[in-house]
Amino acid sequence: DAGVIQSPRHEVTEMGQEVTLRCKPISGHNSLFWYRQTMMRGLELLIYFNNNVPIDDSGMPEDRFSAKMPNASFSTLKIQPSEPRDSAVYFCASSLYENQPQHFGDGTRLSIL
Amino acid sequence: QQQVKQSPQSLIVQKGGIPIINCAYENTAFDYFPWYQQFPGKGPALLIAIRPDVSEKKEGRFTISFNKSAKQFSLHIMDSQPGDSATYFCAASKRGKNSGGSNYKLTFGKGTLLTVNP
Repeated sequence: DAGVIQSPRHEVTEMGQEVTLRCKPISGHNSLFWYRQTMMRGLELLIYFNNNVPIDDSGMPEDRFSAKMPNASFSTLKIQPSEPRDSAVYFCASSLYENQPQHFGDGTRLSIL
Repeated sequence: QQQVKQSPQSLIVQKGGIPIINCAYENTAFDYFPWYQQFPGKGPALLIAIRPDVSEKKEGRFTISFNKSAKQFSLHIMDSQPGDSATYFCAASKRGKNSGGSNYKLTFGKGTLLTVNP
């Protein structure tokens, strides 16, 4: 069974550039979560979708961040324009239903120079 | 405001030892307490979880102890092995029936880096 698939695994780009992170949840899962992990702040939930609809985006740091889920098998997290402080590991997780265990992908390590 | 406080930040034990990682929470509405294990370069993976209606849960070598009155819970790893070396995160969320969508948010502790020496 394929787990949550994230791409790219690593991204290095210059400040001001647009960054798009991609996630394919586990087939059949109807909840999807985007997290950010840093040494200072640990793991933080950015946004959560249920049945492709954004339910809670209170963790999105600012308007430069946006997330979409156009269908049940794909989600994107976009940062435009990117800043050095956005450097972190971004994880996507999915769960069968809202109250089921979350399965994490292996993350995208993002470095903004 | 950090809602889940985890300690210690790092822990070194010998093979066969019993590392204990502690977490304390503030929000009394939390009713689901999972532990995640993360290896370098990988995402967190669910290890074991507990609801507050029980004081202890065991799965293999991993045990969660839960103290509702103290708002604390801990992870014990019996007969620890070098392969258990990883970062462990506690978390908490509200998962009640009428809690609504946003109440499935997991609030994580800062993590404990466990090293088990051979």
